[in-house]
Amino acid sequence: GESVGLHLPTLSVQEGDNSIINCAYSNSASDYFIWYKQESGKGPQFIIDIRSNMDKRQGQRVTVLLNKTVKHLSLQIAATQPGDSAVYFCAESSGYALNFGKGTSLLVTP
Amino acid sequence: DAGVIQSPRHEVTEMGQEVTLRCKPISGHDYLFWYRQTMMRGLELLIYFNNNVPIDDSGMPEDRFSAKMPNASFSTLKIQPSEPRDSAVYFCASSFSAGENIQYFGAGTRLSVL
Repeated sequence: GESVGLHLPTLSVQEGDNSIINCAYSNSASDYFIWYKQESGKGPQFIIDIRSNMDKRQGQRVTVLLNKTVKHLSLQIAATQPGDSAVYFCAESSGYALNFGKGTSLLVTP
Repeated sequence: DAGVIQSPRHEVTEMGQEVTLRCKPISGHDYLFWYRQTMMRGLELLIYFNNNVPIDDSGMPEDRFSAKMPNASFSTLKIQPSEPRDSAVYFCASSFSAGENIQYFGAGTRLSVL
């Protein structure tokens, strides 16, 4: 079946640097994409989302880029802070249910 | 709003026992989702409801698993009998259909079956 997957299982960055977390999806019918952050012992927390009629969306310190041609999604975090250390999940949907990727662990070092 | 509320936060039980996990969605949300998270399989959708009606239960692993939503403010996920391989973190999430598709997650229930 079609699936959502992540390129990098772990990412280590220095505090203050920019982070880029990548995600590949295979369902060409997906029209909604979303990023979640999960800290240890907590549930996934919404970060930012994007619909397929857009290729870029910005939030506070975060940007999501969508490339439908190559079915690729990325999350950019500007000026990464220690509090950004967590597991990040991308998910895609063509309805109301979300299909989650495996997650990328982001570690921010001082 | 207090967000999605799950109980208990932790559950330790012995193999063969019945386990009931509880969820209170965000008020006004009309979709409710149950997920299971493990290191090996990640986040898996088990079942979801719309307006208290189960829409898709294809993710429910076995007949030992059942879920109900008797009203808009309460849902249960039951495992009977429980097995050690059911050990995982179970999340409930809710969303509102007439707007964004954002699912808001509870803090989860960590289940350990001995």
